[in-house]
Amino acid sequence: GAVVSQHPSRVICKSGTSVKIECRSLDFQATTMFWYRQFPKQSLMLMATSNEGSKATYEQGVEKDKFLINHASLTLSTLTVTSAHPEDSSFYICSAAAGRGRVSPQHFGDGTRLSIL
Amino acid sequence: GESVGLHLPTLSVQEGDNSIINCAYSNSASDYFIWYKQESGKGPQFIIDIRSNMDKRQGQRVTVLLNKTVKHLSLQIAATQPGDSAVHFCAENPPIQAGTALIFGKGTTLSVSS
Repeated sequence: GAVVSQHPSRVICKSGTSVKIECRSLDFQATTMFWYRQFPKQSLMLMATSNEGSKATYEQGVEKDKFLINHASLTLSTLTVTSAHPEDSSFYICSAAAGRGRVSPQHFGDGTRLSIL
Repeated sequence: GESVGLHLPTLSVQEGDNSIINCAYSNSASDYFIWYKQESGKGPQFIIDIRSNMDKRQGQRVTVLLNKTVKHLSLQIAATQPGDSAVHFCAENPPIQAGTALIFGKGTTLSVSS
């Protein structure tokens, strides 16, 4: 089945550090990947849609200069949390759809737990 | 606010019982729905999906029912096992723009005891 790999799984760093999270589709190509954020005991909130070869589309309220997204290839999207602060601590999850067209299930990575001290 | 919600935040069942998890969605234009389960510290795992041109779809031990009239979705799990213990989310895909972005419900915690 479709596998999405996310790295790193856990990051702990000081306030002001920039953190890069990678999302890879291992056995399929994904022209579109998605980044979600999840707080404890809450649901997933879509942050942005990452499009290969073009700019990401951000959801309302998500700062594009704070959360930099790069989708340089059909198998890799990266999310960089710039100058991270404690309020950025969260569980970040990426996903990708393996099938063509709009109606196909998204497959998720195992998330990155970001803790900013 | 969220457009997809769940009626019950927690569900506790005995091993072997059948489980039913419910979900209400608000966007009548949504034409694709997915159930995911999420274990602690992991990403969501696909369970089953259904398109709006169907009202029922069966998988292995799971059945999804879609009632478009009342915008209701349910997940039925037969012979629930301890391995089913997780937070279960429904998600909808409204055809508002290109791409396959999902809107997730709040989640129901399913707890299965032996």
